[in-house]
Amino acid sequence: KQEVTQIPAALSVPEGENLVLNCSFTDSAIYNLQWFRQDPGKGLTSLLLIQSSQREQTSGRLNASLDKSSGRSTLYIAASQPGDSATYLCAVRRNSGNTPLVFGKGTRLSVIA
Amino acid sequence: EAQVTQNPRYLITVTGKKLTVTCSQNMNHEYMSWYRQDPGLGLRQIYYSMNVEVTDKGDVPEGYKVSRKEKRNFPLILESPSPNQTSLYFCASSFLRQNTEAFFGQGTRLTVV
Repeated sequence: KQEVTQIPAALSVPEGENLVLNCSFTDSAIYNLQWFRQDPGKGLTSLLLIQSSQREQTSGRLNASLDKSSGRSTLYIAASQPGDSATYLCAVRRNSGNTPLVFGKGTRLSVIA
Repeated sequence: EAQVTQNPRYLITVTGKKLTVTCSQNMNHEYMSWYRQDPGLGLRQIYYSMNVEVTDKGDVPEGYKVSRKEKRNFPLILESPSPNQTSLYFCASSFLRQNTEAFFGQGTRLTVV
């Protein structure tokens, strides 16, 4: 059974720092991996999707990498801002498009001005 | 704008009173699913559908029903809600055969008293 772990559970950094959020998964047979952002009491906003054949994806200040063989993904946030404060969730989809997303429990990020 | 729309956003109800949470997507996605999010447990899939009239159980289906009469709509039905169904619910949709991102609704916060 696929399990997804995110470390750390919470992180507090000063504004302007570059930071890395970690996601690990137990079964490397994945279809894709998706990073989401969730603001308190709100929905999930998709940040980046990495297909199983890809190594990384970039969007603005965000860069996500994927190492399938080691079961790891990282989300790199450059020059963090207070507006980046949120919970970041990692989810993997196994095998194909008709399987569920399996989520980690998230990393709660606080960026202090 | 591509979106998944859930209604209502907030709902307080009493034990045993049937309720329906609606979900609609405008992206012609085949795959739709419902998740619940609970503190310490993360997001777990309740039910999913791969197309019209095709539905199946996820990890935590007890106490829930769904239907898929039209491609765009996927309502979640609680026939006799109980307090342990108090949770934050999310509807999601994605393509079955294209390796692209899943979209999530804004969430429905349900309280059963």
